[in-house]
Amino acid sequence: DQQVKQNSPSLSVQEGRISILNCDYTNSMFDYFLWYKKYPAEGPTFLISISSIKDKNEDGRFTVFLNKSAKHLSLHIVPSQPGDSAVYFCAASPNFGNEKLTFGTGTRLTIIP
Amino acid sequence: DGGITQSPKYLFRKEGQNVTLSCEQNLNHDAMYWYRQDPGQGLRLIYYSQIVNDFQKGDIAEGYSVSREKKESFPLTVTSAQKNPTAFYLCASSPARAAGWDEQYFGPGTRLTVT
Repeated sequence: DQQVKQNSPSLSVQEGRISILNCDYTNSMFDYFLWYKKYPAEGPTFLISISSIKDKNEDGRFTVFLNKSAKHLSLHIVPSQPGDSAVYFCAASPNFGNEKLTFGTGTRLTIIP
Repeated sequence: DGGITQSPKYLFRKEGQNVTLSCEQNLNHDAMYWYRQDPGQGLRLIYYSQIVNDFQKGDIAEGYSVSREKKESFPLTVTSAQKNPTAFYLCASSPARAAGWDEQYFGPGTRLTVT
């Protein structure tokens, strides 16, 4: 029972263009959503988060959008850079600081120079 | 140089043997976690510990055991009872339960192969 789904296993985007990574969830108890970035042979690193009381959170080139009614969130990267090539995981939690994160399966983003 | 160390990077074992994965952190974090990643699946929580000498089961604890005798160390033992032990194992730590999300750090992982 995959409560957090990333339906695109991979995505290729031209350098300088916008990258949009999508994530869907089924559990309405989730209140916090996070994106992590993972390079090969390294652990994931936290990228950006959003709480359910917001519909948008922005941090530099990264913006996360949340559509609670559709149980959908997306990560926008503008402009995309070669260093953004990595696997991106979305994750969800029922409350702030809850150690029991539920992760999606990941999307491998490749930025084409 | 603060961080989380997992060793070894690759580990090979024969079926039926117990194996212990190491996780050490020098970040003075209270909480530590073990996750498992399988191909086509997200990270799944095995065990977590919020304080020394205390730990709780995560979503997939069966076949695993942990100990937390020291704040900086949280070893994971994959026992012979774990039916599908081959996977990528990630350790993480954070300062406290209510820490911000950007304060949870992951180690580089250990890839365990059991044949």
